[in-house]
Amino acid sequence: DAGVIQSPRHEVTEMGQEVTLRCKPISGHDYLFWYRQTMMRGLELLIYFNNNVPIDDSGMPEDRFSAKMPNASFSTLKIQPSEPRDSAVYFCASSFITRYNEQFFGPGTRLTVL
Amino acid sequence: KNEVEQSPQNLTAQEGEFITINCSYSVGISALHWLQQHPGGGIVSLFMLSSGKKKHGRLIATINIQEKHSSLHITASHPRDSAVYICAVATGNQFYFGTGTSLTVIP
Repeated sequence: DAGVIQSPRHEVTEMGQEVTLRCKPISGHDYLFWYRQTMMRGLELLIYFNNNVPIDDSGMPEDRFSAKMPNASFSTLKIQPSEPRDSAVYFCASSFITRYNEQFFGPGTRLTVL
Repeated sequence: KNEVEQSPQNLTAQEGEFITINCSYSVGISALHWLQQHPGGGIVSLFMLSSGKKKHGRLIATINIQEKHSSLHITASHPRDSAVYICAVATGNQFYFGTGTSLTVIP
């Protein structure tokens, strides 16, 4: 398996623009997680899905953030409108059987909002 | 208030030294993870623990549930072990992360 795939790897956009980050989990994994990492706050869990259903989105910072998982092999994290403080590295990870099992991380998307 | 505290924040060691990184947490947990973040930014899961001790090669992780404490040990450290090591705890629907320990191993 290719591992968790994220795209794009880098995104530079201007304040106010819509940003969509994409993730393909490892085949067969039924949990998918979205994380954000910044220098100030470290790693934070934003939302996670089980069998394509959002289970907990309490980490989503604002209504400007939304995430979907239309099928088992694809998820998106959308920011609309984007702000400079959204600049961070966004990681997607997946695991199987339980949400406590080992997580496999994607390479991350480095987002810069100017 | 930080649910997860790691120490030390930074650590420099000579190649071959035995290294210990500590993690203390304040919440009841279902599992604890040790993650390694390479200088290029990629994150790898090293261990998932709910009790006792696990060993992979030169890496050993232990957890004491009563004391709410975990340690990550690296035996015979090597420059390729240079990375940031992050402790994370899972409780309910939440994951809490430590701020990481930056390890540099000098040849």
